[in-house]
Amino acid sequence: EAGVVQSPRYKIIEKKQPVAFWCNPISGHNTLYWYRQNLGQGPELLIRYENEEAVDDSQLPKDRFSAERLKGVDSTLKIQPAELGDSAVYLCASSLEGAGQNTDTQYFGPGTRLTVL
Amino acid sequence: GIQVEQSPPDLILQEGANSTLRCNFSDSVNNLQWFHQNPWGQLINLFYIPSGTKQNGRLSATTVATERYSLLYISSSQTTDSGVYFCAVIGMDAGKSTFGDGTTLTVKP
Repeated sequence: EAGVVQSPRYKIIEKKQPVAFWCNPISGHNTLYWYRQNLGQGPELLIRYENEEAVDDSQLPKDRFSAERLKGVDSTLKIQPAELGDSAVYLCASSLEGAGQNTDTQYFGPGTRLTVL
Repeated sequence: GIQVEQSPPDLILQEGANSTLRCNFSDSVNNLQWFHQNPWGQLINLFYIPSGTKQNGRLSATTVATERYSLLYISSSQTTDSGVYFCAVIGMDAGKSTFGDGTTLTVKP
């Protein structure tokens, strides 16, 4: 079974440029998460989807960040325009369900390392 | 939101030694997971353990939900155990996932 797939793995852009990250969750997983991980810290949740619905986006900086999960499968996270402080690793995770049962186990992709110059 | 504290922040062991990592959380949780982040950045799920005890080879974990803490035990450590260990919880209210800042483990040969 394929794991969570993310692309690109690395991205270097200049500030004020747009950037997009793509995530393909494990087949059949209804819940999808986007996290941001700064150096030396734990991942911070940006947004959580249950199928197509964003059920928790309280930590998403909505002035410059946007996300979508069309058809409840793949997801895209976009930053426009990027700032120096956005340099981080962006992680995608998926779980079978989000209801606090054993199927709520999160599986992570390899992440996208973003560098903003 | 829920606060998650992990200790110690850093741990250096000689190969073959045992260790205990701790995760304290500030409120009741539906979900608690332990992850290992390897030197390449990949987060690997170790345990889903909102309560009770589980074992997988040299690793075991115990969560005492009523006292709001979880422990990860690593026995006979190997150099490949090096990396950062994270505890992540999901609260009972809104279901938000919160990670601690991790314990960085270095196992020396």
